[in-house]
Amino acid sequence: AQTVTQSQPEMSVQEAETVTLSCTYDTSESNYYLFWYKQPPSRQMILVIRQEAYKQQNATENRFSVNFQKAAKSFSLKISDSQLGDTAMYFCAFMTSTGNQFYFGTGTSLTVIP
Amino acid sequence: EPEVTQTPSHQVTQMGQEVILRCVPISNHLYFYWYRQILGQKVEFLVSFYNNEISEKSEIFDDQFSVERPDGSNFTLKIRSTKLEDSAMYFCASSEAKLTSYEQYFGPGTRLTVT
Repeated sequence: AQTVTQSQPEMSVQEAETVTLSCTYDTSESNYYLFWYKQPPSRQMILVIRQEAYKQQNATENRFSVNFQKAAKSFSLKISDSQLGDTAMYFCAFMTSTGNQFYFGTGTSLTVIP
Repeated sequence: EPEVTQTPSHQVTQMGQEVILRCVPISNHLYFYWYRQILGQKVEFLVSFYNNEISEKSEIFDDQFSVERPDGSNFTLKIRSTKLEDSAMYFCASSEAKLTSYEQYFGPGTRLTVT
């Protein structure tokens, strides 16, 4: 069975600062995908960043980057130069390479403070 | 940019009543999904749907639940006899193809409150 754990229910960061959201997961699969989704208040979940487990290089999307530690089963999200629009719930998610369902964490509510 | 839409945004129903949650997936997408999130808990997979049939379902998706694509644009989730524990946010998602099923686009959710 796959599990995803986000141990930080709430976090806050000063505008323009950097924040790191934690995520750990458990799986016996060797190949899989990891994701961070962002859900702004009353809005859709949107994909922030994706990492294929077979790729050693950490994924980066503009101000968003991940620290993927496969052996430790850790997948943290770093947001640099935080902006007010980054205020949202952030979900870490896992998908096996053969499946089509996500396994989500409980989410981290991030507030960017002006 | 195309979006998945869901109606209603909030549904209140009495225990034992039937409820239908509606979703309009992105028009060229072929795979459809329902997830739910009970307040304070994880988002959980319910079911995936392709070619007018269920392709995968979780243990949560019991006989009380059904899905349908009635008219080629809507994708519905029906709960036949709601229970208090069905109160949750229900998310619909769609993806273009199985190989890229990780590119699921989510709707804004329907908050279901069972009283």
